[in-house]
Amino acid sequence: ETGVTQTPRHLVMGMTNKKSLKCEQHLGHNAMYWYKQSAKKPLELMFVYSLEERVENNSVPSRFSPECPNSSHLFLHLHTLQPEDSALYLCASSRRGLAGGGVSTDTQYFGPGTRLTVL
Amino acid sequence: GDSVTQMEGPVTLSEEAFLTINCTYTATGYPSLFWYVQYPGEGLQLLLKATKADDKGSNKGFEATYRKETTSFHLEKGSVQVSDSAVYFCALSGSSTGNQFYFGTGTSLTVIP
Repeated sequence: ETGVTQTPRHLVMGMTNKKSLKCEQHLGHNAMYWYKQSAKKPLELMFVYSLEERVENNSVPSRFSPECPNSSHLFLHLHTLQPEDSALYLCASSRRGLAGGGVSTDTQYFGPGTRLTVL
Repeated sequence: GDSVTQMEGPVTLSEEAFLTINCTYTATGYPSLFWYVQYPGEGLQLLLKATKADDKGSNKGFEATYRKETTSFHLEKGSVQVSDSAVYFCALSGSSTGNQFYFGTGTSLTVIP
């Protein structure tokens, strides 16, 4: 039991569909992350929500839209995706200190991922 | 910028063989270093970590020592099992990275009976 759950585990969608991925953490963490894992590529950090701030990787296309309604839930809204967006999408959470506060980073805990296939 | 470089796989070993997966890093400051493991069909799980130079992380028979002088964090296990077959990721994080994680590309390990 990792304490981070993701739904659905598998998703197949057409390029015109709209769908959402959900992540929930039960660890009392204050930061959540979306990563994209494609074959033979490094893990790509897409978005970070931490201490009510959002940080995004500028290379992520606008067809991916995150939402973090509270510290335990994170969504990734998908709209008009492309076949190259097919990948494993991983959610993670951690406990982060305040910026510049000198608090060391805590470990990230990952969910099982959603395997997304775009047709 | 900060980065992690780990040996490319895939790596195939016989059961009870010795395992080394190399990882070197580039970072300003003093990051924490991590090894994560990903079993087939699952997300990443923390395997071990070290937060300062000369620290040794260990778990499930795996070990890695934070070497500042060689900027390395090599993963070792004395006797691998079939159940160790997975993809292993080296990662770093710290205040110099804005507390974000940087992962290596992963090394696939297959252990055959």
